[in-house]
Order: sequence, then C-alpha cells, then structure tokens
Amino acid sequence: SQQGEEDPQALSIQEGENATMNCSYKTSINNLQWYRQNSGRGLVHLILIRSNEREKHSGRLRVTLDTSKKSSSLLITASRAADTASYFCATATGANSKLTFGKGITLSVRP
Amino acid sequence: DAGVIQSPRHEVTEMGQEVTLRCKPISGHNSLFWYRQTMMRGLELLIYFNNNVPIDDSGMPEDRFSAKMPNASFSTLKIQPSEPRDSAVYFCASSLAGDYGYTFGSGTRLTVV
Repeated sequence: SQQGEEDPQALSIQEGENATMNCSYKTSINNLQWYRQNSGRGLVHLILIRSNEREKHSGRLRVTLDTSKKSSSLLITASRAADTASYFCATATGANSKLTFGKGITLSVRP
Repeated sequence: DAGVIQSPRHEVTEMGQEVTLRCKPISGHNSLFWYRQTMMRGLELLIYFNNNVPIDDSGMPEDRFSAKMPNASFSTLKIQPSEPRDSAVYFCASSLAGDYGYTFGSGTRLTVV
C-alpha cells in the first residue's frame, strides 16, 4: 500500500516559474525524503527532512514538513527545463526506517 | 565511487526461465534494498538487508522470488520460474543505517515473453 501520496499527479510550468509539489501520508514517520527520476534512469535522492524538523533548504529546493497534518511540500524555485522529471515523496517508518514511495509527480518545465 | 552498480541493464527472457539480477552496493553502506517499479503499482519494496542479513522480505511477491547477500559487496535477486507479469524495472539501492537517503542503481529492465 502507498504510504505517501503526491499531489498533483502532473504539473506543467514555464521555465523560471516556481514548482510546488505536495505529499500526504498516513502514519507517523522517522523522516520524509524527496527523490527525482529522469526517464529511464534510477532515482536520485534530493533532500531528507526529519520528523522533528519543519523546513529545510538545499540550493533551489525548499522542503516543509507538517507532522500535525501529515503533509510535506517540495518547492523548486526558478525552474529550469532540466528539472523536467518525476518526483517522488518517500516516508521512512519503523525501527529500520523502511522507505515507502508514493506514485510520483510528473513535472514538465517548458523552455 | 561508481555508485550502485546493477547488471544486466536489460534482460529479455522466455516465460519459465530463471532470471538472476545482480547488485553491487556502495562500499561502506550497510543497508541494501531491492525495489520493483511498474506503471500500475509504482515502486514496491521487495526485500531489504542490514549488514547482509535479510530483515524484511514481506514484499517478495511469491516463492518464485529469492534474494541473497553473501557478502557486503554483492547481492542477487532471482526469479525462478519467470512469468510475463514479472516484467518491470528492478532497482537496487543502498544506504547507511539511520536518517540517510538511498543511492539507487540504474535498474534492470526485465521483459518476460
């Protein structure tokens, strides 16, 4: 079963605009992670936010976590055509921090 | 480090044949994971190992699937006999234990005809 569910399923924006992607989950987590997957490639880890953190930044990425609402958002600022990819939210749960992925968001950035 | 290395990149096999997928994790990582990705079901965790020991294989679809990790630098996922519904991309990933991200390999695209 899917622990994390991303929203929207697909997003199309113009280069230079910001992209916001959301993730909701059901059970308590140890941490939440975002990954990117380019077509035909493996997943690439972008950023991890722990359950006791509320916001984290990495370059053009900003992640927020609201444990009371069981939700997270990923903001990509000043998007580029190279940001075109699928983005996955993943939640780490349990003693071994098993990672469960959502079905992903397809982001298209138009040049 | 060359990252997580999977082989083969592509595999086409006939129904009923045995398939073996291979993975070399990043040196020093003590956790290894096998995932399967399909359009219908997304990314599914099949099995994971900590320090070469299988911890959770509840995602392995059925007895036709088996995985081993004989040492810290090598793991295999075997399907015997293979069926068309096993067609998918199989990913191996490794990480350090704790609050760390996973490093994924490039995957093996398996087609069973």
